[in-house]
Amino acid sequence: AQKITQTQPGMFVQEKEAVTLDCTYDTSDQSYGLFWYKQPSSGEMIFLIYQGSYDEQNATEGRYSLNFQKARKSANLVISASQLGDSAMYFCAMREGRFEDRGSTLGRLYFGRGTQLTVWP
Amino acid sequence: DARVTQTPRHKVTEMGQEVTMRCQPILGHNTVFWYRQTMMQGLELLAYFRNRAPLDDSGMPKDRFSAEMPDATLATLKIQPSEPRDSAVYFCASGLVNRGTDNSPLHFGNGTRLTVT
Repeated sequence: AQKITQTQPGMFVQEKEAVTLDCTYDTSDQSYGLFWYKQPSSGEMIFLIYQGSYDEQNATEGRYSLNFQKARKSANLVISASQLGDSAMYFCAMREGRFEDRGSTLGRLYFGRGTQLTVWP
Repeated sequence: DARVTQTPRHKVTEMGQEVTMRCQPILGHNTVFWYRQTMMQGLELLAYFRNRAPLDDSGMPKDRFSAEMPDATLATLKIQPSEPRDSAVYFCASGLVNRGTDNSPLHFGNGTRLTVT
């Protein structure tokens, strides 16, 4: 089974509008972390935002926010006031467990297949 | 800003040749990962190290791929012999994973784009 599912291969949004990129995850761990990365056409992977499974508040970083719905196992990325420079591939990722539980095996990220976001003027 | 450095950025080689990719993780990070990205498979984990010790290389074809960390400042990924199906972008990523750092992201290098003809 896929650990991370991103059902939107492509999304389009007009500049200055908000857009939501979907992500659902699958884990039996009680403790886990969710990450979003941006990959522009130049290829680098840029970390955007993190949400811990025990965090009660949704994470926010500037124009990025994470709509975390634990019961539904979803962690959607919301980009407000889209800019042309937001056009990129966006990846959702998950790290299972905590150091206290997993110790030396903690660390790997499971990635979804990504959503290609295009912002048009 | 501290960065993960990967070399080379691009590599074109012929089938059967040895390919070596290098990675300098961020100083102080204790975990290093190798991921491969293709259109068909997305991002696949090949191998990862904690404090230079290999933890998991189950994603790596053992007959031709090898990953090592000869010291804390260098991680290498070798393919011998290379095949056209190895064509992909190979990313190295590093992170600090300890008690209290569960929210620490992985920091990625810019990748090595490998083309095997």
